[in-house]
Amino acid sequence: DGGITQSPKYLFRKEGQNVTLSCEQNLNHDAMYWYRQDPGQGLRLIYYSQIVNDFQKGDIAEGYSVSREKKESFPLTVTSAQKNPTAFYLCASSIVVSNQPQHFGDGTRLSIL
Amino acid sequence: GENVEQHPSTLSVQEGDSAVIKCTYSDSASNYFPWYKQELGKRPQLIIDIRSNVGEKKDQRIAVTLNKTAKHFSLHITETQPEDSAVYFCAAFLTGNQFYFGTGTSLTVIP
Repeated sequence: DGGITQSPKYLFRKEGQNVTLSCEQNLNHDAMYWYRQDPGQGLRLIYYSQIVNDFQKGDIAEGYSVSREKKESFPLTVTSAQKNPTAFYLCASSIVVSNQPQHFGDGTRLSIL
Repeated sequence: GENVEQHPSTLSVQEGDSAVIKCTYSDSASNYFPWYKQELGKRPQLIIDIRSNVGEKKDQRIAVTLNKTAKHFSLHITETQPEDSAVYFCAAFLTGNQFYFGTGTSLTVIP
């Protein structure tokens, strides 16, 4: 099912390299989120955005950066400052940042070469 | 510390039996509690949710109960089937515009 598209599905990073994960949604949602999922742990919030050109740090923002130039797009850059980037990354969106259901993408699995 | 705690971390049941997963939360101002099902390598999918003005909600074989006084909520799956096998996550919308997720329960339904 569509709605939120994440790419690529798998990504490999070399030491010292920045990589960017793509997230696009066609649900006309104002709010978008990035989560990191590690084995045995719940989803942890990296960044979220309530509207275009605005974003807020989550609990684990260090070593990551985002932009929100268009309503449909919320790319996540994993910088070289993130020393343990191997994880499953999930993008989500909701109508607004509030008590509303979140819809998730299929995720990107990032590994270190 | 943990804002949402989830138990058990793994659960095995015989097909046809019931499964119960429990979560507790810390912020009494929380007002929205969704449950997600995630199959291996796939996206989490919302299966049921409940708001703080409701004590129980049912959708076919799935139900969620909320005890605001004790600050816990539970997922109940009846007449379990093999296709119910997955990881289930609870979440709570807390003040500060964030959802906090539990650590997940891996449910296995044994045929």
